[in-house]
Amino acid sequence: LAKTTQPISMDSYEGQEVNITCSHNNIATNDYITWYQQFPSQGPRFIIQGYKTKVTNEVASLFIPADRKSSTLSLPRVSLSDTAVYYCLVGRLETDKLIFGTGTRLQVFP
Amino acid sequence: DAGVTQSPTHLIKTRGQQVTLRCSPKSGHDTVSWYQQALGQGPQFIFQYYEEEERQRGNFPDRFSGHQFPNYSSELNVNALLLGDSALYLCASRHSRLAYNYGYTFGSGTRLTVV
Repeated sequence: LAKTTQPISMDSYEGQEVNITCSHNNIATNDYITWYQQFPSQGPRFIIQGYKTKVTNEVASLFIPADRKSSTLSLPRVSLSDTAVYYCLVGRLETDKLIFGTGTRLQVFP
Repeated sequence: DAGVTQSPTHLIKTRGQQVTLRCSPKSGHDTVSWYQQALGQGPQFIFQYYEEEERQRGNFPDRFSGHQFPNYSSELNVNALLLGDSALYLCASRHSRLAYNYGYTFGSGTRLTVV
């Protein structure tokens, strides 16, 4: 599975847009990009998944450039409740072995 | 519709003991995976069960074993506990045919402390 690189931490303020970039230079043709969110003492929660271009749901947007060597998770107008660790994963859809890195710790301030 | 349920939520064991953790998958899900998450780290894949068989395994010793029951629930067993086994143990479930756009559903985990 492709290795991912994310910033260790990010700070933001309520109401701002937050963009977390993930680097995955060795992504394979069949790999998808998936983001999970984790609050303390809880399991990760699926946020969004994509293969190329842009994917948007009610929670976030995922931007993937044509070369797919990176991706950006965009959280619009964050609130204090968005304070969490965000993980970027790459792998085949049918994989049962999710590979988590250390994630990006997002802290949102009032 | 209940999500993934894990029990117990917290557990303290002594080094050398054995422990069993339990997981009930989300309704409609038939595949269960277990993860170990040390403090400050991302979850690490232990193994995955489908149709009551271990289908895939991560880099964990044989002290870690599991079981899946006909109702899709699962157990994780750890023998000869070491201090380093202290972690949050997460169970994740999915439907074998419907994972692609919905991801896995994780439980809140069992916090195991080995003393």
